[in-house]
Amino acid sequence: GGIITQTPKFLIGQEGQKLTLKCQQNFNHDTMYWYRQDSGKGLRLIYYSITENDLQKGDLSEGYDASREKKSSFSLTVTSAQKNEMAVFLCASSILWHTLYFGAGTRLSVL
Amino acid sequence: GQQVQQSPASLVLQEGENAELQCNFSTSLNSMQWFYQRPEGSLVSLFYNPSGTKQSGRLTSTTVIKERRSSLHISSSQITDSGTYLCAMGNVGDNSKLIWGLGTSLVVNP
Repeated sequence: GGIITQTPKFLIGQEGQKLTLKCQQNFNHDTMYWYRQDSGKGLRLIYYSITENDLQKGDLSEGYDASREKKSSFSLTVTSAQKNEMAVFLCASSILWHTLYFGAGTRLSVL
Repeated sequence: GQQVQQSPASLVLQEGENAELQCNFSTSLNSMQWFYQRPEGSLVSLFYNPSGTKQSGRLTSTTVIKERRSSLHISSSQITDSGTYLCAMGNVGDNSKLIWGLGTSLVVNP
């Protein structure tokens, strides 16, 4: 079976800092996703990519950049961290249109 | 407002008890999915169930699109079932438009 690895598991940043989250998958899936999970809100899609070098904006793309330089990896950059921001960022991949596979998440705290 | 609503928000069971989790949706989307979020954070796909009933082991999902509801039944609960159960609605063939519920947090005690 495959696995999705997200790094780092925990990320503490300073207000205004640029922060990068990484995701690797060995499923050989074409499509990868970045979601944000906040307490009291449903998951929200930030970016997705249907193939290498492709990027598609989700509903929450403002304030983020993404990069898909290889099929197996998808990175997300918080362009300017907001003070007191706390959220979990989840990476997912899929080959079938309805089966999503998720990583364990990166927990972000901004001081 | 929230287009996908889950109930109850939290649930505590004794091991061996059954549970019924509900997902009601106001959106006109037509593809229901259920996920389990482990305590450590990762999500596992349980069911893709746009309509009808599907079963996997002790889990049964029933979706009635006309009534805009879906349920997840857990029979003979086990401690390892503890975690959060999420439902999400989308369009058939497109995961980029999923609308997620807030989840039901389940604790199963020995």
